[in-house]
Amino acid sequence: ETGVTQSPTHLIKTRGQQVTLRCSSQSGHNTVSWYQQALGQGPQFIFQYYREEENGRGNFPPRFSGLQFPNYSSELNVNALELDDSALYLCASSYDRDSGEQYFGPGTRLTVT
Amino acid sequence: QKEVEQNSGPLSVPEGAIASLNCTYSDRGSQSFFWYRQYSGKSPELIMFIYSNGDKEDGRFTAQLNKASQYVSLLIRDSQPSDSATYLCAVMADNNDMRFGAGTRLTVKP
Repeated sequence: ETGVTQSPTHLIKTRGQQVTLRCSSQSGHNTVSWYQQALGQGPQFIFQYYREEENGRGNFPPRFSGLQFPNYSSELNVNALELDDSALYLCASSYDRDSGEQYFGPGTRLTVT
Repeated sequence: QKEVEQNSGPLSVPEGAIASLNCTYSDRGSQSFFWYRQYSGKSPELIMFIYSNGDKEDGRFTAQLNKASQYVSLLIRDSQPSDSATYLCAVMADNNDMRFGAGTRLTVKP
């Protein structure tokens, strides 16, 4: 186990709704990254947070937003859900923003109908 | 153009054989390279990382990096059925943007 937890495990939402996914990083890790993984694909980088500030962003629209809190927890918020947002959402923590040695949580499976 | 390319497989090897997994990347500025293992229905698990040209060994795993050829590989010696999984190659650029390949599915047959 990596010590990274995510909630909920599964979620079903309707197109147009908003969703918040949560992650608790490994203790001492000040950096969290969020990824979207579609079936049969590798994870796609959404964004990274370092010490509560966004530290990099992939090719995702602004309706994907995040927060990181001082207690090693973080959130991914997605507004105006689309069918294509159905995927496994993974958070990964690392001890520093320059470290690519990331430890993944178990993921949240989001289904948009 | 995909930035990190892997053969999707499936790659099938007999138990005890060497499994060779390959990855190429397009961003010459990439500095860090990683191999993750992902079992079906699970999240990726970091198994190897390499930053410098050459080989890096860790138990039955050897990562090889050739920056001039923009090529990174993973060798698994004495493959076991428990090694059956999808192996993801990941490359990190200067801006900390981690790019993953689509993964190679490996099956080790007893």
